[in-house]
Amino acid sequence: DAKTTQPNSMESNEEEPVHLPCNHSTISGTDYIHWYRQLPSQGPEYVIHGLTSNVNNRMASLAIAEDRKSSTLILHRATLRDAAVYYCILRDDTSGTYKYIFGTGTRLKVLA
Amino acid sequence: DVKVTQSSRYLVKRTGEKVFLECVQDMDHENMFWYRQDPGLGLRLIYFSYDVKMKEKGDIPEGYSVSREKKERFSLILESASTNQTSMYLCASRSTDSNQPQHFGDGTRLSIL
Repeated sequence: DAKTTQPNSMESNEEEPVHLPCNHSTISGTDYIHWYRQLPSQGPEYVIHGLTSNVNNRMASLAIAEDRKSSTLILHRATLRDAAVYYCILRDDTSGTYKYIFGTGTRLKVLA
Repeated sequence: DVKVTQSSRYLVKRTGEKVFLECVQDMDHENMFWYRQDPGLGLRLIYFSYDVKMKEKGDIPEGYSVSREKKERFSLILESASTNQTSMYLCASRSTDSNQPQHFGDGTRLSIL
């Protein structure tokens, strides 16, 4: 299975943008890049996903490098409620296993 | 919004007991999953089901079994609980549309004494 590498932790000030990086140098052509986050005492929550093009939704933006070996989750204005562990995950449905490989993620701390 | 509901947030059982963890989803999803989450190890897939009465082993199925008698319900069974099965258990569901995300429940924190 392809793997992802993320920093263990990051800090951001409230109301400022946050860029969370992820390296996935072994990504295959069919792997979607997914981001989830997990707030304390909750299950993982879907944030955004993409294949090749940059993506935007109401929660965040996803910037994917041209070679697809890395991506960045962008939170445009961090709030205290964004403090969570953020997981960058590759998902390959061509194998038919329908599973995600979660790493240890990036713990984001937001400072008031 | 998709709702995945796990029957218990916290559960304490004794070694050797048979333990049932229940999960229900309300979006008519075909695929359902059971994971366990441990510090430093991330989420690991135990079993998944792609249809009623169908199941597939995940990465760590030993000591567990599952049941899917109805589309909306997926049960995880610890046949004879052991202390090394103390963990956070997460259920998830997803449609067969590959462009749709997986939706997770809030988890069951299980302690085996």
